[in-house]
Amino acid sequence: DTAVSQTPKYLVTQMGNDKSIKCEQNLGHDTMYWYKQDSKKFLKIMFSYNNKELIINETVPNRFSPKSPDKAHLNLHINSLELGDSAVYFCASSQDAGDYEQYFGPGTRLTVT
Amino acid sequence: AQSVTQLGSHVSVSEGALVLLRCNYSSSVPPYLFWYVQYPNQGLQLLLKYTTGATLVKGINGFEAEFKKSETSFHLTKPSAHMSDAAEYFCAVSDRGGNTGKLIFGQGTTLQVKP
Repeated sequence: DTAVSQTPKYLVTQMGNDKSIKCEQNLGHDTMYWYKQDSKKFLKIMFSYNNKELIINETVPNRFSPKSPDKAHLNLHINSLELGDSAVYFCASSQDAGDYEQYFGPGTRLTVT
Repeated sequence: AQSVTQLGSHVSVSEGALVLLRCNYSSSVPPYLFWYVQYPNQGLQLLLKYTTGATLVKGINGFEAEFKKSETSFHLTKPSAHMSDAAEYFCAVSDRGGNTGKLIFGQGTTLQVKP
């Protein structure tokens, strides 16, 4: 009964490939987020959706595209992967966009070779 | 714009000693402040938060933090460290202006607890 789950946990792929990471939350929250944690453990928000509507779209390459089929799911698709995309990607959710208390998934470690 | 600075990327204490992790923030509006903990190979977990009201906030696992507006600080403390406290700790401030739930995180502090 994991609150925020992500698949896969590990992803190893080659440069130029396209990959997706999936996230699901069973908390009934309206808002979901994608964060990137780099090798120095710096954590930065990438995107946020509130009830399937994009509300945060930080300065990330347009190779990254989030998709929210419903408010319980937020997927991240990455095209033409580059070495610099190697990182841990975290999904999170909160009750709504005005609630800053966020619940994080276990992370997806992406390694691009 | 909001920002967070965590002083000390690595803190080492002995088991049973006081834990003090420092966080200073910058915010153009009254901030909401948070401490999150990340255990190895896991996601972040909320330790405690300050929104309004009492400036001394108690969280899980015996941690507490005090909001000091005059010092723009939100330092995290625990009277007695346990081995299980070894983890990465992140201070965060809310970007309340946009009401989007956006959090700005500090660089993180690695807490090492020695036996």
